Amino acid sequence: EAQVTQNPRYLITVTGKKLTVTCSQNMNHEYMSWYRQDPGLGLRQIYYSMNVEVTDKGDVPEGYKVSRKEKRNFPLILESPSPNQTSLYFCASSPTYRENTEAFFGQGTRLTVV
Amino acid sequence: AQTVTQSQPEMSVQEAETVTLSCTYDTSESNYYLFWYKQPPSRQMILVIRQEAYKQQNATENRFSVNFQKAAKSFSLKISDSQLGDTAMYFCAFMIPTNAGKSTFGDGTTLTVKP
Repeated sequence: EAQVTQNPRYLITVTGKKLTVTCSQNMNHEYMSWYRQDPGLGLRQIYYSMNVEVTDKGDVPEGYKVSRKEKRNFPLILESPSPNQTSLYFCASSPTYRENTEAFFGQGTRLTVV
Repeated sequence: AQTVTQSQPEMSVQEAETVTLSCTYDTSESNYYLFWYKQPPSRQMILVIRQEAYKQQNATENRFSVNFQKAAKSFSLKISDSQLGDTAMYFCAFMIPTNAGKSTFGDGTTLTVKP
């Protein structure tokens, strides 16, 4: 089954404790991105990757890191999480950004930083 | 900067009736793609419909259709014969292929379909 898999689905952590949210897609997609969703703010893009080893900042990259060592994986790293990073996070992939292609979303990760 | 505005935070409709969700956007680009996504209570983001800016014909997908007015930068979603399963938050978004696929989303409209 074609899908984007995020783990974990739920996470409660403490301020400053490094964490990684994994994202994996099995569709051989070039393009992957991370979003955060906050009430009243819609989805905001954090980072995106056009292909392996090619990543760039989105609208709200502060406090986050990403890597794209393999085509299928695009982990989101919070080196020192803070309470303002409490949010719902989505990973998405699409075949390419050059055409009108659908983005496939993971099921979301609800992160709470206390 | 690109922006997307959904001016209706919440809407409701009776089952089997028609409802229109509004979306306006602002961009200086001439080539872009527009989308409507649905997010039911399960939180899964699901593509409802998409439109290429260079196409004049409005996209349709079964009960879902759009009214795309490029000059007015408007992209509204019409849902016909509303069903209880249409209850969800709906996001309007656009993507610019020449800008590394950067996507901009609106704040969302929560639609409730009443029996």
